[in-house]
Amino acid sequence: AQSVTQLGSHVSVSEGALVLLRCNYSSSVPPYLFWYVQYPNQGLQLLLKYTTGATLVKGINGFEAEFKKSETSFHLTKPSAHMSDAAEYFCAVTLTSGTYKYIFGTGTRLKVLA
Amino acid sequence: GAVVSQHPSRVICKSGTSVKIECRSLDFQATTMFWYRQFPKKSLMLMATSNEGSKATYEQGVEKDKFLINHASLTLSTLTVTSAHPEDSSFYICSARDYSYNEQFFGPGTRLTVL
Repeated sequence: AQSVTQLGSHVSVSEGALVLLRCNYSSSVPPYLFWYVQYPNQGLQLLLKYTTGATLVKGINGFEAEFKKSETSFHLTKPSAHMSDAAEYFCAVTLTSGTYKYIFGTGTRLKVLA
Repeated sequence: GAVVSQHPSRVICKSGTSVKIECRSLDFQATTMFWYRQFPKKSLMLMATSNEGSKATYEQGVEKDKFLINHASLTLSTLTVTSAHPEDSSFYICSARDYSYNEQFFGPGTRLTVL
């Protein structure tokens, strides 16, 4: 069975500081991995995804994530936080076949301090 | 490309009434659609998976007679909350994928409030 763990339900960083949101997964088969951002009362916006190939994935708004198979991790980073980055972030894993059902992490709320 | 819409974006209804939420893929054919429910400050909970032309597959604990899902065409799926009660109040999000995509595309969500 697959699962996703996001460490830290709340993360606070100062504007301009490094953003690091942690995601660990469990999967018996090679997974597809995703990071989504959600602003209040809105749907999910894809930040980036890993399917195959390069393990360092670059996404929108300056975010990137690295797939580390040995650590079963897919942490999300951004070198310099902006006030507009304050939102809820979800990591998700899916099987690479079948229904492509997602398993979501519990989410991390990012707060950016001025 | 790959845009998913939901209608309505917000609905308020009285207890005991039924509410229908539509999910449409605007620029691709969605062979599979998913319905999620999200409680305040919580993650998304998958309710069901539907494939065009067949019955939806519900997740454990989701009442199929309460949450009716229809995926009648490759661009439309509907979720009907029957005999809604205040505890059904929630944010409902749909997503869709085509066989050629390795990801789901999410709608903007529908806020349901049952009085």
